[in-house]
Amino acid sequence: DIQMTQSPSTLSASVGDRVTITCRASQSISSWLAWYQQKPGKAPKLLIYKASSLESGVPSRFSGSGSGTEFTLTISSLQPDDFATYYCQQYNSYFTFGPGTKVDIK
Amino acid sequence: QLQLQESGPGLVKPSETLSLTCTVSGGSISSSSYYWGWIRQPPGKGLEWIGSMYYSGTTYYNPSLKSRVTISIDTSKNQFSLNLSSVTAADTAVYYCAKGIRFGKLLYHFDYWGQGTLVTVSS
Repeated sequence: DIQMTQSPSTLSASVGDRVTITCRASQSISSWLAWYQQKPGKAPKLLIYKASSLESGVPSRFSGSGSGTEFTLTISSLQPDDFATYYCQQYNSYFTFGPGTKVDIK
Repeated sequence: QLQLQESGPGLVKPSETLSLTCTVSGGSISSSSYYWGWIRQPPGKGLEWIGSMYYSGTTYYNPSLKSRVTISIDTSKNQFSLNLSSVTAADTAVYYCAKGIRFGKLLYHFDYWGQGTLVTVSS
């Protein structure tokens, strides 16, 4: 089984900050990684797929990078709507989600 | 615009079978470019993939749940279903259905999700 880890587990930031979340896989997953945003009481929303491809309609302040076992999600300038929990997910072998990173207000 | 909607009992007794249905609108469940999946989220916790399938009947299950899970598809109703047997309190969660992108046998990311439904396992 492929295990996913994320760091940090919680991130306190201010509007306008540049935010970076890291996701690591227990073995190489090539670029088969997605990032999702989830707000309380809502379903996850796809942000990034294939490690760095931006889903249609997602603001360009979101970007993804990485391959193999280490990946990052970057929000270039944090907006009020971005306070949420972010999950990475590998789909190289079945599907595994990371434990999540909560971005809250500093 | 494709939409998914989960339905089923919100309360299930321990040892019984949890049954949920996902109704798909705005798209065909038989599309060769799609696959369908179930994901769950215990209260206050992270996401866990349960299983996926596509219209030909090919299924993929989380190895940790495989012995208790069945996913099926009803193309005539544009629905797919989840059965999880022998449930315990640990199966209490919000259950989401989702659509994913498929190319042949390759299953990619989930791009559409239902709103989720809370299922509580309790006597």
